[in-house]
Amino acid sequence: SQTIHQWPATLVQPVGSPLSLECTVEGTSNPNLYWYRQAAGRGLQLLFYSVGIGQISSEVPQNLSASRPQDRQFILSSKKLLLSDSGFYLCAWIRTGSTDTQYFGPGTRLTVL
Amino acid sequence: AQTVTQSQPEMSVQEAETVTLSCTYDTSENNYYLFWYKQPPSRQMILVIRQEAYKQQNATENRFSVNFQKAAKSFSLKISDSQLGDTAMYFCAFMNYPRRDDMRFGAGTRLTVKP
Repeated sequence: SQTIHQWPATLVQPVGSPLSLECTVEGTSNPNLYWYRQAAGRGLQLLFYSVGIGQISSEVPQNLSASRPQDRQFILSSKKLLLSDSGFYLCAWIRTGSTDTQYFGPGTRLTVL
Repeated sequence: AQTVTQSQPEMSVQEAETVTLSCTYDTSENNYYLFWYKQPPSRQMILVIRQEAYKQQNATENRFSVNFQKAAKSFSLKISDSQLGDTAMYFCAFMNYPRRDDMRFGAGTRLTVKP
């Protein structure tokens, strides 16, 4: 069966520090991968999506970046965090085929102080 | 760009009763999927139900069903026989097809099921 992992689960970082959040998917190959941010009490905002290794598309210009070094690994990064980067970050994947449904990881709660 | 609107920030229902959550969307795409996701306090996003735009028949999953009106761009969720475990945030979502590179979510509806 397919599973999706995210780590860390929670993170508290000072303003100006770097960031690296990791997402990995097991049990499938060549998935579409997505990064979302959810502000407190709000819906999800699509940040990045990837259809393959090294292929990243950005939805919102900001100080975040994403990379996909391996087929089932998706990384969200920042060189210098801002207070506004605080939020709940969710990774999701789609197994192309009959379902075309997004499945979400457990999320990372990021607090920037 | 696609937009998804949920006009009910909060709703409540008595246990065992029926409740309907509203969602409207705007798109120029002809092929797409619509989803309802549930987010309990654990914040895990859980798929509730999915509807393909090309299908006229409304999707159903046990106690959950949708009323999909493509011309009106409306996609409501009906929960029958509400249970305490249905208490959660509910998000309506749109995904274009076949590119699957545009996923939009509504702001959510907080549903409380009262005993």
